[in-house]
Amino acid sequence: EPEVTQTPSHQVTQMGQEVILRCVPISNHLYFYWYRQILGQKVEFLVSFYNNEISEKSEIFDDQFSVERPDGSNFTLKIRSTKLEDSAMYFCASSDGTVNTGELFFGEGSRLTVL
Amino acid sequence: DQQVKQNSPSLSVQEGRISILNCDYTNSMFDYFLWYKKYPAEGPTFLISISSIKDKNEDGRFTVFLNKSAKHLSLHIVPSQPGDSAVYFCAALPYGNNRLAFGKGNQVVVIP
Repeated sequence: EPEVTQTPSHQVTQMGQEVILRCVPISNHLYFYWYRQILGQKVEFLVSFYNNEISEKSEIFDDQFSVERPDGSNFTLKIRSTKLEDSAMYFCASSDGTVNTGELFFGEGSRLTVL
Repeated sequence: DQQVKQNSPSLSVQEGRISILNCDYTNSMFDYFLWYKKYPAEGPTFLISISSIKDKNEDGRFTVFLNKSAKHLSLHIVPSQPGDSAVYFCAALPYGNNRLAFGKGNQVVVIP
């Protein structure tokens, strides 16, 4: 069964460092997303991406964040200068977008720990 | 942000009995409501959804009920099985955009 894969599964970084989280969405999917879950809190929407550009972003997704689809298969989330409060589980998701019903396919997540 | 709220963070139920999970929402502009299931060390997995124009959707052991006047939905799992032990997230999709709003989740433990 096709699945969304994410790397790394866990990254530990120092505050102020740049981090890139990688995702390989399901191959025929057209919409890509990043969500995150801070420990003990809700899963929160960060950004959606379609047709090589951001289609929506939340208030969390400020100038420190960027997304890219560099090669037609990977979908990356970059955090330019990490802060302690960026520590969270980051989930990549994709959908084929034929009907927008909210049914997304999520990866296993990348846990980011900022020290 | 309290658009989607799940109370009673955990639920324990005997195998074979019914599990009922509840979810309340505040935004009248949600188009679809969904339940996702999450096992430890995995991402959320879509379970079942319901359109805002329906009041019930059933898929095997899982049924979702929507009460729009009360802004309330529930998930019924019957009969519950040990493999159903997981965290269940209620989520909602607004009209015209693709930002899912999640609840905090309910931990369900099914006791064999």
